[in-house]
Amino acid sequence: GENVEQHPSTLSVQEGDSAVIKCTYSDSASNYFPWYKQELGKRPQLIIDIRSNVGEKKDQRIAVTLNKTAKHFSLHITETQPEDSAVYFCAASKDTGNQFYFGTGTSLTVIP
Amino acid sequence: DGGITQSPKYLFRKEGQNVTLSCEQNLNHDAMYWYRQDPGQGLRLIYYSQIVNDFQKGDIAEGYSVSREKKESFPLTVTSAQKNPTAFYLCASSISPYSKGRTSGSNQPQHFGDGTRLSIL
Repeated sequence: GENVEQHPSTLSVQEGDSAVIKCTYSDSASNYFPWYKQELGKRPQLIIDIRSNVGEKKDQRIAVTLNKTAKHFSLHITETQPEDSAVYFCAASKDTGNQFYFGTGTSLTVIP
Repeated sequence: DGGITQSPKYLFRKEGQNVTLSCEQNLNHDAMYWYRQDPGQGLRLIYYSQIVNDFQKGDIAEGYSVSREKKESFPLTVTSAQKNPTAFYLCASSISPYSKGRTSGSNQPQHFGDGTRLSIL
């Protein structure tokens, strides 16, 4: 099955700096990669996603890049703010079965 | 996402007891999922269902059971065979890429409930 690895497990940045979280996947058939943000005690919320037919997608301060050849994708958050502090999960899925495989999460702390 | 409701929010299980976690959605989604979340381990798939009256085991199905008698509901039973049930359980739903009118190659994001925290008494 698919194996998704996520790094780093914890990340601290100063407010205004950028944060980058990286994920790798093993199954070359995976073609959909969502990112979720989970605040303490709350449900995961989709923040951005990317499909394998594009290499980059942006939404305001958030961007995701995908390298299909290397089988890795990254979340980029620019101009970080304290409210960006949360746990971020990457995931990978493919058409067959519609299962999602999640990374182990990155706890991001933005220091004011 | 107010469309997915999990209950109860907190649940305590006595040894040897089966407990059932409720998950209801009004998003008209065909696919529903149950995940277990432990600290430092991300989300692990327990069971999933693509359509009513059908479901498949995920990576950690042992000690759990589900049913999908209605499109809106996907209850999870944690049986006494699950020896380490203490965890945060998340239910999710999504539009199936195989729903009527959709083509393949169009996996949709999952929408999550607020979760149920299960502990052993």
